Amino acid sequence: GAGVSQSPRYKVAKRGQDVALRCDPISGHVSLFWYQQALGQGPEFLTYFQNEAQLDKSGLPSDRFFAERPEGSVSTLKIQRTQQEDSAVYLCASSSDRVGTEAFFGQGTRLTVV
Amino acid sequence: GESVGLHLPTLSVQEGDNSIINCAYSNSASDYFIWYKQESGKGPQFIIDIRSNMDKRQGQRVTVLLNKTVKHLSLQIAATQPGDSAVYFCATSWGSYIPTFGRGTSLIVHP
Repeated sequence: GAGVSQSPRYKVAKRGQDVALRCDPISGHVSLFWYQQALGQGPEFLTYFQNEAQLDKSGLPSDRFFAERPEGSVSTLKIQRTQQEDSAVYLCASSSDRVGTEAFFGQGTRLTVV
Repeated sequence: GESVGLHLPTLSVQEGDNSIINCAYSNSASDYFIWYKQESGKGPQFIIDIRSNMDKRQGQRVTVLLNKTVKHLSLQIAATQPGDSAVYFCATSWGSYIPTFGRGTSLIVHP
């Protein structure tokens, strides 16, 4: 596609519900990043993939957060048993090289947990 | 741990003026620096980057300056336009190039 696409654009979840957020990176991009952005803050790193390999997941806040990229293209970020503090915009970015320079971001998924 | 901060949370300028947005970083191992622009409801948009072996890089109407001695980065926007109004983030990375973002500066351009 022309850019990084994320879906859904908005998600409202009841506390305790599981959610899955999808990221379609730019075709052929090797690196893929997930970030969490709270209101008024900068994006916070969650996890990084190089092709299908998850090379860094040090930013995932708890074991309720899980990300995968099984075929090295589309990625899914799953949050189990959502809590109010999970409310944020979840951003996905992709980059054509293995070192993540010039990463292009999607518009994000705004998750609201009620 | 790494912290990346901005000196001014909000910068107001008149259309046509030059804007300077500053950023301080703490990790002396940082070797790659990026400026992003984020408009309301959108994801960050790449503006310009610079590697640690340079101290200046120019793009279209933008210039990034890097002072590694004092761990300071700045973004200069020439002839600022209303469309430049947004939040600007500096991000740093090292080694694996996973960008670490600062809090952001809101640029407001008055017509």
